[in-house]
Amino acid sequence: QSALTQPASVSGSPGQSITFSCTGTSSDVGAYNYVSWYQQHPGKAPKLMISDVNNRPSGVSNRFSGSKSGNTASLTISGLQADDEADYYCSSYTTRSTYVFGTGTTVTVL
Amino acid sequence: EVQLVESGGGLVKPGGSLRLSCAASGITLASSSINWVRQAPGKGLEWVAYISGGFIYYADSVKGRFTVYRDNTKDSIYLAMTSLRVEDTAVYYCARASSVSVNYFDYWGQGTLVTVSS
Repeated sequence: QSALTQPASVSGSPGQSITFSCTGTSSDVGAYNYVSWYQQHPGKAPKLMISDVNNRPSGVSNRFSGSKSGNTASLTISGLQADDEADYYCSSYTTRSTYVFGTGTTVTVL
Repeated sequence: EVQLVESGGGLVKPGGSLRLSCAASGITLASSSINWVRQAPGKGLEWVAYISGGFIYYADSVKGRFTVYRDNTKDSIYLAMTSLRVEDTAVYYCARASSVSVNYFDYWGQGTLVTVSS
């Protein structure tokens, strides 16, 4: 199972919006609406930010939103803040009843 | 508050074995779907294994070498790792698949470091 493809890095200024992608195949991202996104600060455990493409868990800021089209999912962070600087990983359930993570995107707040 | 705690990591030689444990407070692991996810130093997340009821799945990279199982008497989940390779070096996290939908991981432990080196 190959990792989902994400851009290595994305940057933006405070207050701006950024969007980055997560590309898979018809066996994972394209198969179901089961894409989730995780935020990871250095030395910390991942934190769920988005589930099932575009659902925000309780406590997660509404500045985070997700979408999907075909085999590509996207995460948008609006009103970028300093604390958003972190690594972000997408994940998808697959047709083999397994899971696959993305390669990870480092978000830098300029 | 839900907390997951991993233990059992350490230094092991290539070809050796190690058993990781996942314990929890705030939830009952016996009725939970639990995953093991690892992260090599400076690298991304990699899904390793999943256990839920009678269902167990493994990543191809560990199939035949790793075994995930539960001990309901201790309400714990274990990852038994054998034939360890240098490339198995990573922080290993246990993560719960949501009770609403097993398609995402809503609680994570802080991880335990496994180092495979001679």
